[in-house]
Amino acid sequence: QVQLKQWGAGLLKPSETLSLSCAVYGETFSGFYWSWIRQTPKKGLEWIGEINHSGMTNYNPSLKSRVSILVDTSKNQFSLKLSSVTAADTAVYYCARRVGQRWPVDYWGQGTLATVSS
Amino acid sequence: DIQMTQSPSSLSASVRDRVTITCRASQDIRSDLGWYQQKPGKAPKRLIYAASTLQSGVPSRFSGSGSRTEFTLTISSLQPEDFATYYCLQYNSYPLTFGQGTTVEFK
Repeated sequence: QVQLKQWGAGLLKPSETLSLSCAVYGETFSGFYWSWIRQTPKKGLEWIGEINHSGMTNYNPSLKSRVSILVDTSKNQFSLKLSSVTAADTAVYYCARRVGQRWPVDYWGQGTLATVSS
Repeated sequence: DIQMTQSPSSLSASVRDRVTITCRASQDIRSDLGWYQQKPGKAPKRLIYAASTLQSGVPSRFSGSGSRTEFTLTISSLQPEDFATYYCLQYNSYPLTFGQGTTVEFK
């Protein structure tokens, strides 16, 4: 059974960098696409970006200048960094898996609330 | 970006009602569409992929149809556990984009 378990700092100040990590259990890391998605009451679900096992990334253009997604295949983990956060980045962040580029998300992490407040 | 317009934004229904939710894409996405159900405090759960393929383990009262720019999720006989928010997701091209969601409430 595939499980994604995520963790990271939940409270940030404006201009700080949000850092989240996601560990994958029960499945090989290779051959899949690993995404980050966030959700706010105002904007709904927003795809942030993804990385595959070889390190190839795709980012949402709306966030590209501030986002970095990295992978550590030795630990079956991937991570998200979002720099220069503002209150607008307050959201529940999810890590997620896709089987391939022409497949939708199938497995999700449990979600992490990140709050940006001075 | 491909815009996904989902309607209605909310609806009230009773148990055993037939419910239909629509998602329209701003351009042709072939059949690259998924439907998700989300309950409060939980991650979304995939119901349908490739517009009409039922995810393993999902009850057969859920069905999806459509292609290109217009898609539909139908619940043939609403059950108490189906009261939730439903989202569509297009994965035809980057960036992936979601519909704004449809909340199914108890009438």
